Amino acid sequence: NAGVTQTPKFRVLKTGQSMTLLCAQDMNHEYMYWYRQDPGMGLRLIHYSVGEGTTAKGEVPDGYNVSRLKKQNFLLGLESAAPSQTSVYFCASSDGHPGHSYEQYFGPGTRLTVT
Amino acid sequence: KNQVEQSPQSLIILEGKNCTLQCNYTVSPFSNLRWYKQDTGRGPVSLTIMTFSENTKSNGRYTATLDADTKQSSLHITASQLSDSASYICVVRVNSNSGYALNFGKGTSLLVTP
Repeated sequence: NAGVTQTPKFRVLKTGQSMTLLCAQDMNHEYMYWYRQDPGMGLRLIHYSVGEGTTAKGEVPDGYNVSRLKKQNFLLGLESAAPSQTSVYFCASSDGHPGHSYEQYFGPGTRLTVT
Repeated sequence: KNQVEQSPQSLIILEGKNCTLQCNYTVSPFSNLRWYKQDTGRGPVSLTIMTFSENTKSNGRYTATLDADTKQSSLHITASQLSDSASYICVVRVNSNSGYALNFGKGTSLLVTP
């Protein structure tokens, strides 16, 4: 099992460019999440999905869009990148709702720099 | 104001020594509390998950305690190893039916030196 994988690992964008981050999991998990991690701050939830074809907003959704067309994939899109979106992005998945003590498994992260 | 506060912000200890990391939270109603270990350049990895009724849980050399009355948790690391150098993150889940409610602390950065 590869667990949770993220593509790409690093990316540099110019302001206004667009890109898509791909997250894939091979554990047949229902729930998937996108977080961002900035220096001096805790992880913050961007969007999440409770199953194929569903998405929901998290704590900091502005400037991002997501799609969950297949159960194993969760895509995070930036339509017009801004320097404030410079961050490390983590994808995670879980077999159930974390409120019920299900384990969350994180990917290795994507380091994005917007200049 | 962050509802999950961790202390200290950073810590340096000698290999073989013990240490204790603290997590205080104000969120309620409480559902569960998690400790994660995050190595530099990697994603967080779960160490323990504790519910309201659990006041201690161990995972090898890691022992987490929870006092739900005072809203405090600690993570004790015994006989530290160089590989324990990482950021340790406390996460508190609010018992809510409306969506998703995990509150992440900022983490404690631990450096274990030879």
